[in-house]
Amino acid sequence: GAVVSQHPSWVICKSGTSVKIECRSLDFQATTMFWYRQFPKQSLMLMATSNEGSKATYEQGVEKDKFLINHASLTLSTLTVTSAHPEDSSFYICSARYRLELFFGEGSRLTVL
Amino acid sequence: AQTVTQSQPEMSVQEAETVTLSCTYDTSESNYYLFWYKQPPSRQMILVIRQEAYKQQNATENRFSVNFQKAAKSFSLKISDSQLGDTAMYFCAFMKRGSGNTGKLIFGQGTTLQVKP
Repeated sequence: GAVVSQHPSWVICKSGTSVKIECRSLDFQATTMFWYRQFPKQSLMLMATSNEGSKATYEQGVEKDKFLINHASLTLSTLTVTSAHPEDSSFYICSARYRLELFFGEGSRLTVL
Repeated sequence: AQTVTQSQPEMSVQEAETVTLSCTYDTSESNYYLFWYKQPPSRQMILVIRQEAYKQQNATENRFSVNFQKAAKSFSLKISDSQLGDTAMYFCAFMKRGSGNTGKLIFGQGTTLQVKP
């Protein structure tokens, strides 16, 4: 089956620094990837749709200057949390579509001190 | 806009018994997919079952089956012979089908299921 991998799985950073999370499709090409945010015991909230070779499409209320998304190739999308603050601490999950299914990465836990 | 509602935040079931998780949705689309995803403590999202809206037959996958009522916009998940490994958070999700469909999923709030020994 199709595999989507995220890295890092857990990152701790200081307030004010930037953090980059990678999402890779390991055995298929993904022209579109999705980034979600999940708080503990809550649902996944779609942050943005990452499009290869073009700008990401952000959901209403998501700060595009805070959450920079780059889809540089058909197998890699990155989410950069800029000038992170404690309120950005969360679980971030990416997904990519392969045929009729969506495959999810393992998720990345961000803790901002 | 589409919405997905799961009205049961938490449920529990005894091992080997059957449990049904509820999901309702709202959409003006006629062509779409519905999904149930499982998120165990590892937090890896796992597809449990998929239903295509144009198919009247309810989807089944081993111990998992759905009751899809299109007119009522209801999509419940039945887990038979519950196992301890079924303990997880379950999400109902909606995705438009057809031209312009990029794979964007709309999730419900989730139901935490605990299977008790």
